[in-house]
Order: sequence, then C-alpha cells, then structure tokens
Amino acid sequence: EVQLVQSGAEVKKPGESLKISCKGSGYSFPHYWVAWVRQMPGKGLELMGIMFPDDSDTRYSPSFQGQITISADKSNGTAYLQWISLKASDTAIYYCARLSVVRGFLLDFWGQGTQVTVSS
Amino acid sequence: DVVMTQTPLSSPVTLGQPASISCRSSQSLLHSDGNTYLSWLQQRPGQPPRLLIYKISNRFSGVPDRFSGSGSGTDFTLKITRVEAEDVGVYYCMQATQFPYSFGRGTKLEIK
Repeated sequence: EVQLVQSGAEVKKPGESLKISCKGSGYSFPHYWVAWVRQMPGKGLELMGIMFPDDSDTRYSPSFQGQITISADKSNGTAYLQWISLKASDTAIYYCARLSVVRGFLLDFWGQGTQVTVSS
Repeated sequence: DVVMTQTPLSSPVTLGQPASISCRSSQSLLHSDGNTYLSWLQQRPGQPPRLLIYKISNRFSGVPDRFSGSGSGTDFTLKITRVEAEDVGVYYCMQATQFPYSFGRGTKLEIK
C-alpha cells in the first residue's frame, strides 16, 4: 500500500528556520517525483516544486524559487521541505504528493498534510 | 504560466441530482506527446486532496463510476451523475502539461 506520512504540526516565530518531512512507503521512493503543495488558510492549492529523489533533479515554481529548499534522502525514503527564515505569510497546510509521470503526470497519493503556523 | 479557471465557484446540489463543474485553461493542454494532462481532485472538509480523474477522463482506482471527466484543448468538465452526501467538498482541476503545474481555484460542492 502506497503511503506518504508527513511530520507533525509546527508553531514557529517569524525569522525561525524549519524543515518538515514526508516519508514514502509501499513503492520505489527514488523513482517517483515528489511534489510539495501549499494550501493557505481557506484557500486553494499551489504547487511549490517537485523533486526526483534518485538524482535530486529539482524544479521550483517561480513564486517559490529562492524561498524554500526541497530535498530528499532516498536511502530512507524521505522528502523534505525547508525554510531558512519563516514569515507570517508562510502559515499554511503543506502537502506532499507522489507525482506519477508514467501514468500521466498525476498526483496520485497524498500525505495527510503538515500545519505550519508562524506567529510572533 | 497556465491559468486554470473553474466555474461555478460554488454549486448547491440536491442529493441524487447531477452536478457539473467546468474548467478552462488559458492555453491548450495538449502536450507535444499527444496526451492532455488534465486531472480532477476532490478535497473533503479537513482532508487532503484525493485524485479522482486523470488525463481528462480516466477514473483513478477506487473512484465511483458516477464521476466522469470530458473535454479537450482548453475546456474540460467534471460530472457527477447522482450526488451523494459524501461528495461534499471542494473540487479542483489541475494541469500538468506545462510546468509549473497549476490548479483551478476550486468549486465548492454543497448540498441544498
């Protein structure tokens, strides 16, 4: 069974750093792209970027380029999303999802989401 | 970037009646490989999104056959033949023909 399990909720202050995780299981983690998707409070879905764990090929949506870092440790099947200096506007739910290119560029399995709250 | 426009933003529906959601893209989603990478996702309240339909009209595993997708080029539709209570939520179209992939703003399906 394919599963993506994300790390727990975080409460941070502006200017702090943060790294959240997404552990994949039930499939060959290195060989599927992982996507990170932001959902701000009461809003829709925004793609932040994607990474192919096997070779660390990473692509960022222009809106998020320079604001975040996506990485992965293929040896333990985990992807990461990182901020160096959080802002209040980073408050959102962050989802990871598996991107299946072979079947047609679909986000077929999703993590449960990580709530990030940034407040002074 | 490709802009995805969904209508309506909200759709009150009577249980057992059909529902239809439209999605229009700012440019053709036909990829050079001949495929059209248009998906539909459902997000129930308090839940992560769930894939319903991919490549316009292919139902994902476990999705009831009351859900169907159609369209081509820039115009796409998600139809539910008979709405059930569990269908309440927000529905998003998503294009993956051109990076960055983009989502519509969502259509909220609610029961009258």
